[in-house]
Order: sequence, then C-alpha cells, then structure tokens
Amino acid sequence: EPEVTQTPSHQVTQMGQEVILRCVPISNHLYFYWYRQILGQKVEFLVSFYNNEISEKSEIFDDQFSVERPDGSNFTLKIRSTKLEDSAMYFCASRPQVRPYEQYFGPGTRLTVT
Amino acid sequence: GESVGLHLPTLSVQEGDNSIINCAYSNSASDYFIWYKQESGKGPQFIIDIRSNMDKRQGQRVTVLLNKTVKHLSLQIAATQPGDSAVYFCAENSEGNNRLAFGKGNQVVVIP
Repeated sequence: EPEVTQTPSHQVTQMGQEVILRCVPISNHLYFYWYRQILGQKVEFLVSFYNNEISEKSEIFDDQFSVERPDGSNFTLKIRSTKLEDSAMYFCASRPQVRPYEQYFGPGTRLTVT
Repeated sequence: GESVGLHLPTLSVQEGDNSIINCAYSNSASDYFIWYKQESGKGPQFIIDIRSNMDKRQGQRVTVLLNKTVKHLSLQIAATQPGDSAVYFCAENSEGNNRLAFGKGNQVVVIP
C-alpha cells in the first residue's frame, strides 16, 4: 500500500539555523500539507499546497516558513531561522482530488531546536 | 489556542469491551467531522467521517455519532482489540477549505 514518507525522522538543530524537512507524498495525490504537533498537544495545520502554489496557510505559517515542490516527487518545508518554540513533530500529508477530509499522513519528523 | 499540556484524557478498556470516545467541537459551520487514530510514533490515520447532515455512520467495528444540538461527536469501537490502543483525535473540515482542524486527543489503552 502506498504511503507518505518523511526524512529525516529526527532533526536536531541550533536556534537560528535553517532546516529543511522532506516529504514524498503518495504519487497520484494532488494536495499536499504540513501540520505540526507540539509534544502532548493537538495537531495544528500549517499550510496546504496545490497546483504548485500555496492554497491556504495558517497564522502559524509566517515568513520564516516556506514550502516547495522542487520536482515531481518531493515536497519540502523550510524553516529559515529556527526558534526554540519550533520544536515539534512535523507531519506531511497528501490526498487525491476528492474527500479533502481524508488525508494520508507520513510518520513525521521530530524537530528539536536547542 | 488553548494549551492541552502533556496529560491526555485516558480511557482504559478491557479487551473485547466496547469503547466510547467523545469530542466537543466548536465550529457549527463545519461540513465534515472526522476521527483520526494516532499510534505511538506514527502520523494520524483516517478512521471514519460523517457529514454534517447525518447523525450516525457505521464502519467496520466503528460507529460515529454526531449531535449537532450540543456540538458533540463520539466514536464507538466495538470489541476493542490491543491494536486499538492509540490516541484518537476528532477533526473538522469545511467544504472549500483544505485544512483539518483537529481537536484534543483521547488516549485509549486496551488491557489484554
């Protein structure tokens, strides 16, 4: 069964550094997402991406964040200057054209900012 | 938003018994209500959805109930199995909107 994959599984970085989190969505999916989950809290929407552009973003997704689909398979989240409060699990998700509520999540990247 | 903290509401259930997980939602304009399951070390996994114009929907071993009057959603799991141990999140989605708005999680622990 196809699945969303994410790399790395764990990233440790120093405050102020840039990180890139990588995702390979399911191949025939058209919509891509990033969510984050601070330890013990609920999953929060960051951004959705469709047709090579951001279709929606949350108030969390400020100028330090950016997303890119550099080729036909990868979908990346860049955090330009990491802060301690960026420490969280970051989940990538994708879905086909229909059923926007049925999203397929990857296993997540744990980002630790020290 | 509201901080949940590290302590999730936990339901301990004996294997074979039925489980009921509850969720209070906030947006009465949502079109779909969804349950996701998150096992340890994994991302959320879709379980079942219910459209806002329905009050009950059944899947395989799961039933979702929607009470719009009191903005309450529940997930019933029949004959709970050890593999059902996870954190369960309710979520909302509105048509024309891409995002899922997740609620607080509920931990289910199945006792063999």
